[in-house]
Amino acid sequence: DVKVTQSSRYLVKRTGEKVFLECVQDMDHENMFWYRQDPGLGLRLIYFSYDVKMKEKGDIPEGYSVSREKKERFSLILESASTNQTSMYLCASRRAVRSEAFFGQGTRLTVV
Amino acid sequence: AQTVTQSQPEMSVQEAETVTLSCTYDTSESNYYLFWYKQPPSRQMILVIRQEAYKQQNATENRFSVNFQKAAKSFSLKISDSQLGDTAMYFCAFMRPGANSKLTFGKGITLSVRP
Repeated sequence: DVKVTQSSRYLVKRTGEKVFLECVQDMDHENMFWYRQDPGLGLRLIYFSYDVKMKEKGDIPEGYSVSREKKERFSLILESASTNQTSMYLCASRRAVRSEAFFGQGTRLTVV
Repeated sequence: AQTVTQSQPEMSVQEAETVTLSCTYDTSESNYYLFWYKQPPSRQMILVIRQEAYKQQNATENRFSVNFQKAAKSFSLKISDSQLGDTAMYFCAFMRPGANSKLTFGKGITLSVRP
C-alpha cells in the first residue's frame, strides 16, 4: 500500500513564526502536491513538484515556499506565519504516468 | 483553466437508500480524467471512483457508479444502498493526462447518512 505521511496532525504556531510542514511518501512517486482545505472553498493547490528540486506554483502560493531535496520528501514552508494561514493542509503524491493521487492524513494548523 | 463546480453544499440520505451527488466541469480538453474522492471525519482522502473521458462506459465500483455526460460536462456520483460509513465529504476532481498534471477540485459536498 502507498503511504503518504505528514509529520503532524495538529500544529499550533504563533504569528510571525517560520513553520515547516513535512510530507514523506514511500512509493517513489515523481509528483508531490500541497493543498490547502478551507470550508466552502474545497482544496486549493499551493505548490507542486514534479521531480527533485523542481517545483511549480499552484493557485495560491503567496506566503508559502516549498523544498524538495529528496524524491520522497516535500516540505511546505510558511516563512512568517499569519492568522489567515490557519487551515487544513493536505499533501498528496502521484506516479507521473498514472492518474491516481494518494493523500496524507492532513495537518490542521492554527496560527495564533 | 479548468473549473469544477459542486453546487450542493450538503445532502442527507436515509440508510439503504440511493443518493446522487452532482458535479459539472469546464474544459476545452478532449481527453482527461475525472475523480470522486471521499474524505470521512478521519480526514484521510480516499479515491472512490475514476473515469477516463475517452471511455464511453460509465465507471462502477461496487455500490458507487457515475453518470458521465461528456457533452454536458457533467459527472455525477450515485451511491446505492447507502451505509452509515458513507457519511463524509465528497470531492469531484479533474485532471488532464500527462506526467506533470495536477488535480483541480470542486468545493465538496457534505453527505450525511441517517440511520
